[in-house]
Amino acid sequence: EAQVTQNPRYLITVTGKKLTVTCSQNMNHEYMSWYRQDPGLGLRQIYYSMNVEVTDKGDVPEGYKVSRKEKRNFPLILESPSPNQTSLYFCAVSRQSYNEQFFGPGTRLTVL
Amino acid sequence: AQSVTQPDIHITVSEGASLELRCNYSYGATPYLFWYVQSPGQGLQLLLKYFSGDTLVQGIKGFEAEFKRSQSSFNLRKPSVHWSDAAEYFCAVVPSSNFNKFYFGSGTKLNVKP
Repeated sequence: EAQVTQNPRYLITVTGKKLTVTCSQNMNHEYMSWYRQDPGLGLRQIYYSMNVEVTDKGDVPEGYKVSRKEKRNFPLILESPSPNQTSLYFCAVSRQSYNEQFFGPGTRLTVL
Repeated sequence: AQSVTQPDIHITVSEGASLELRCNYSYGATPYLFWYVQSPGQGLQLLLKYFSGDTLVQGIKGFEAEFKRSQSSFNLRKPSVHWSDAAEYFCAVVPSSNFNKFYFGSGTKLNVKP
């Protein structure tokens, strides 16, 4: 079964404590992307990756890092989380950037 | 400024009534256009997309959307709404200037009255 998985699904942490949200896909797709969803703002793109070792900034990259060392994984790293990064995060995968995106189940992050 | 606008935050319709959700964009040359649906507690699912050609696009679950270049709009429609259509709907745009970037509207939450 084609899947996009995210871990953890829920996370409560404190300001400044580094964390990583993982994203993994078994669809063998090239393009992966991270979004954050906030009420009234829709989804905003944080970072995207066109292929292994190729990443670029989306609309709201500040405070985030990503890496794409292998095709199936695209972790999102918050080096020093702050309360304004409290949000619902989605990973998405597609064959190419402008094709249908398949979304993971989401990770709800709370930074105290 | 470039943007995707969904002017209706909430819409309530009666079951069986018709539905139209509005989406306007400002990205210059015709972008790629999408509508996604998010059911409560779920990720997003693609309803339909427009790349080129016929301006009336059919999607899943009985939805359709019409691209109007002159109005920079891509409105979503359904002739008869079902209770299971209650969800949040997002319009999204991939601009022709950068095919790697996705821009979403702020969403329209649909309530369906029995």
